[in-house]
Amino acid sequence: NAGVTQTPKFQVLKTGQSMTLQCAQDMNHEYMSWYRQDPGMGLRLIHYSVGAGITDQGEVPNGYNVSRSTTEDFPLRLLSAAPSQTSVYFCASSLTLAGGNEQFFGPGTRLTVL
Amino acid sequence: KQEVTQIPAALSVPEGENLVLNCSFTDSAIYNLQWFRQDPGKGLTSLLLIQSSQREQTSGRLNASLDKSSGRSTLYIAASQPGDSATYLCAVGYTGANSKLTFGKGITLSVRP
Repeated sequence: NAGVTQTPKFQVLKTGQSMTLQCAQDMNHEYMSWYRQDPGMGLRLIHYSVGAGITDQGEVPNGYNVSRSTTEDFPLRLLSAAPSQTSVYFCASSLTLAGGNEQFFGPGTRLTVL
Repeated sequence: KQEVTQIPAALSVPEGENLVLNCSFTDSAIYNLQWFRQDPGKGLTSLLLIQSSQREQTSGRLNASLDKSSGRSTLYIAASQPGDSATYLCAVGYTGANSKLTFGKGITLSVRP
């Protein structure tokens, strides 16, 4: 098993550009989520999905879109990048609901918005 | 709003010392609690998961305990080594239809040779 994979590992964007962060898991997990990690702020939930076709907002959803067309993939789209979105982004998955199961994390995408 | 607190934010100990990392949470209606390790520039690695019905879990030199009534968990590291240097985060899982994890901000541990 590859576990949770994320691409790219690093990305630099200019303000206003759009891009998609990719996340995939091969463990047949129903629950997937995106977090951002910032110094002094800890991990904050952006969006999550409890299964294919179902997504919902987390704590800091503004400026981000998600979709879940398959169980395996959960891409995160930045619509119009802003410097405030400079952060490290982590994708995570678990068998079912986040609160009830062990979470597995990807290696992260380090994003800089100039 | 559920809050998870980890104090202190940083800790430095000499090699070989037994140490305890603390995690406290405000809402005792938890489903489980998970301890993670994060190395600089890396993702989170799950260390131990304690279900709400359990009191503790052990893996090698690590032992995690859970006391729901007092809203506390501890991660005990025996005979610390320089390789244990990392940031340790606890995350609390809550019940409910939209159950999510609430993370502490982590404790950065440095083990001096």
